[in-house]
Amino acid sequence: NAGVMQNPRHLVRRRGQEARLRCSPMKGHSHVYWYRQLPEEGLKFMVYLQKENIIDESGMPKERFSAEFPKEGPSILRIQQVVRGDSAAYFCASSGDRVNTEAFFGQGTRLTVV
Amino acid sequence: AQKITQTQPGMFVQEKEAVTLDCTYDTSDQSYGLFWYKQPSSGEMIFLIYQGSYDEQNATEGRYSLNFQKARKSANLVISASQLGDSAMYFCAMREGEGSYIPTFGRGTSLIVHP
Repeated sequence: NAGVMQNPRHLVRRRGQEARLRCSPMKGHSHVYWYRQLPEEGLKFMVYLQKENIIDESGMPKERFSAEFPKEGPSILRIQQVVRGDSAAYFCASSGDRVNTEAFFGQGTRLTVV
Repeated sequence: AQKITQTQPGMFVQEKEAVTLDCTYDTSDQSYGLFWYKQPSSGEMIFLIYQGSYDEQNATEGRYSLNFQKARKSANLVISASQLGDSAMYFCAMREGEGSYIPTFGRGTSLIVHP
């Protein structure tokens, strides 16, 4: 299956710990997007990356959150010093270069901060 | 301003009936793509159907069709012959070609199919 792979599927962290969420895009896709979804809500855009570049991070909180998409390896969404409000489902999607192609989603990582 | 508007927070439909989920969008780009995704209770996001702004015909994928009315900026999803397994959240999304590639999502519509 060459789909978008996210891991872990579930992640439990204590307040103050770091959370690292990984996303491997579909083969041939160079655009990666991270979204956050709170219960009963839609997907809120966080950050858009291409290889080695952050293109748009307008949806990312200014503190504690960072993202990267290195030349080799998966994209990483990193949350430092997690708080209870960070508990959510985090989705990664990838797409090709053309706008008339769909973005494919991973299965999400459900982060629970205890 | 909202780029994607889904005005129906919840919809109910009888099994085997058809249902239309509304979506309106806002863009000044000429080139854009419209998408629908399904999110069942298990949580994954499943791509359903795509409509390009230059496509002259409405998109269809099995029981899903997209009623694209460009002048009204609407892209409603029609599900024919509803099945119990269609119960899920449905999200409309858009990618704008001349703006950015970022898919922008509506707030979603919860569909419940009754037996």
